[in-house]
Amino acid sequence: GAGVSQSPSNKVTEKGKDVELRCDPISGHTALYWYRQSLGQGLEFLIYFQGNSAPDKSGLPSDRFSAERTGGSVSTLTIQRTQQEDSAVYLCASREVNNEQFFGPGTRLTVL
Amino acid sequence: DQQVKQNSPSLSVQEGRISILNCDYTNSMFDYFLWYKKYPAEGPTFLISISSIKDKNEDGRFTVFLNKSAKHLSLHIVPSQPGDSAVYFCAARGYNNNDMRFGAGTRLTVKP
Repeated sequence: GAGVSQSPSNKVTEKGKDVELRCDPISGHTALYWYRQSLGQGLEFLIYFQGNSAPDKSGLPSDRFSAERTGGSVSTLTIQRTQQEDSAVYLCASREVNNEQFFGPGTRLTVL
Repeated sequence: DQQVKQNSPSLSVQEGRISILNCDYTNSMFDYFLWYKKYPAEGPTFLISISSIKDKNEDGRFTVFLNKSAKHLSLHIVPSQPGDSAVYFCAARGYNNNDMRFGAGTRLTVKP
C-alpha cells in the first residue's frame, strides 16, 4: 500500500557517529512530523514540516539533531555525534489538512 | 513536560469484558483528542478522536468520553477481543497547533 515508509528499519551505530534516518510520507500529504519513543516513554514530538519549511523545531532535543525536507516529500532526520541516550524508535507521520496523522513503522536506533 | 498523562502503564482484561483506558491532560488549550493503537514493530494507527465540543464519540466497539472540566478522557472498548491487545496512546492537540502531545501509552492485554 501507499503508506508512510521509513528507512532503515533498524540502525546500530557506535557512539560519536552520525546517522541519517529517512521518511517517505504518503503522496500529497503536506504536513510531516518526526517523533521519537524512548524505552518506557510516550511519543516525543521532535519537529514538524509544512511543505519544505519547519515552522516548529521546538522539540529537537539538541543542536546535534537536524531535519530537512525536499520537494515537499522525503524528509531526513540527521543525528550528529550520536550518544547512547539517542537510542529510541524514531517515528515519522504525515497528514493532509484537518485529518489525522498516519505513522510509518519507525526506525529503531541503537547507539552502542 | 508531561502535558498528557496515562498513569496506567498496563491493563489486563478478560475477553468479552470492558476495557477502560484513561488519560489526563493539563493544557486547557487542547481542543482535539485522539487515541492511537500500536502493535509491536509497527507505527501507531489512528483509532478514534473527539473534539472538545463533544463529550462522547462512538465507533463500533470503541467509545471515547471527554470530561473537559476534569481534563480527563477515557477510551472504552466493549466487548474486548484478544486482537485488541496492543499499546494505546492518548494524544491531544490545540486549535491551530500542529504538534500533538502524546501520553506514555497503556499496554492492554485481552486474555482469551
